[in-house]
Amino acid sequence: AQKITQTQPGMFVQEKEAVTLDCTYDTSDQSYGLFWYKQPSSGEMIFLIYQGSYDEQNATEGRYSLNFQKARKSANLVISASQLGDSAMYFCAMREGRTGANSKLTFGKGITLSVRP
Amino acid sequence: EPEVTQTPSHQVTQMGQEVILRCVPISNHLYFYWYRQILGQKVEFLVSFYNNEISEKSEIFDDQFSVERPDGSNFTLKIRSTKLEDSAMYFCASRLRTSGGDNEQFFGPGTRLTVL
Repeated sequence: AQKITQTQPGMFVQEKEAVTLDCTYDTSDQSYGLFWYKQPSSGEMIFLIYQGSYDEQNATEGRYSLNFQKARKSANLVISASQLGDSAMYFCAMREGRTGANSKLTFGKGITLSVRP
Repeated sequence: EPEVTQTPSHQVTQMGQEVILRCVPISNHLYFYWYRQILGQKVEFLVSFYNNEISEKSEIFDDQFSVERPDGSNFTLKIRSTKLEDSAMYFCASRLRTSGGDNEQFFGPGTRLTVL
């Protein structure tokens, strides 16, 4: 089974509107972390937001928030007030187990977001 | 703001040649990683490195690959005899510490490796 599933093939959103990018995950670990990264066309990977499995509140970072539903194993990224510069590929990733040296990230296939003016 | 740097940005090589990809992690970070992304595909973990030794490696990281931290600042990935399927973007990442927050891995801009 895929550990990280991102099934939306491509998303479009009007500038200034909010958009939700879906991510579901699969793990048997009780302790894990979920991450979202943005990859613009220039190719770099930009960290956006982190949610720990034991965090009781949904993570927020500026215009980014993470809708964490543990029972459903989903960690959707919400971008509010979309900007043209938000057009990029977005990757959901997971670290299984407690944070430690072996904290490799497992990535989903990514979602392309296009913001329309 | 401190950042991870990688050189070169683009490397073209002939099949069978050795390549060394270089990374300078953020200076006070303790954990280092290499990932790769074949064009149009997802990012895949290659290897993690801590305390001057490999912590974990993936199936991709076979005997053709090696990593080194030769001087306390650089972190290198060597591919001894490149194959066509090694063509990809290679990302270096670093992380500060184990616990107490600071969980995120900071990625470098990547090195695009093209094997001809």
